[in-house]
Amino acid sequence: AQSVTQLDSQVPVFEEAPVELRCNYSSSVSVYLFWYVQYPNQGLQLLLKYLSGSTLVESINGFEAEFNKSQTSFHLRKPSVHISDTAEYFCAVIHRNYGGSQGNLIFGKGTKLSVKP
Amino acid sequence: KAGVTQTPRYLIKTRGQQVTLSCSPISGHRSVSWYQQTPGQGLQFLFEYFSETQRNKGNFPGRFSGRQFSNSRSEMNVSTLELGDSALYLCASSLDGYTGNEQFFGPGTRLTVL
Repeated sequence: AQSVTQLDSQVPVFEEAPVELRCNYSSSVSVYLFWYVQYPNQGLQLLLKYLSGSTLVESINGFEAEFNKSQTSFHLRKPSVHISDTAEYFCAVIHRNYGGSQGNLIFGKGTKLSVKP
Repeated sequence: KAGVTQTPRYLIKTRGQQVTLSCSPISGHRSVSWYQQTPGQGLQFLFEYFSETQRNKGNFPGRFSGRQFSNSRSEMNVSTLELGDSALYLCASSLDGYTGNEQFFGPGTRLTVL
């Protein structure tokens, strides 16, 4: 069975400092990987995804994540955070099912990023 | 293009009652998935509908059911509500339901069971 582990439930950090949110997954099959962000009282928004190709993927607001197959990790990083990055971040995987129907997203428990001035 | 909409946004029910939640996907999207979010269990998959057929189902009791209409709108129903059903219920739509396609989430319906 697939599972996703987000090692830190809460990450406090000062504004303009770098941050890394860790995500590890376990799966006996190939997966696609996602990071979602959830702001208070809102739904989830896709931040970035890895489907294939370059193992380093970037978002439009400065986040990046690197797929590491040997370590089964997909850590999220940002070199300099802003107050507005305060939110909960979820790592998720989906079973790679070639040409088949969509599987369901399996989420980690989430990491609450708190950016302090 | 309008996003995924969910109604109602907030709902308060008592134990034993039933509830119906509605989700309107992004225009043109044919796949709708439902997720339950609680502080203890996190985000858990309920079921997915594609072209009016339930294609995938999570590990929830039969009290949780859903359906999809010909216009892709979806409803989920929870019968005989329990306190533990209090949660944020999120609906997500995607274009054609194939693996890897982005799922767009609605704002959710927050259900409180008293």
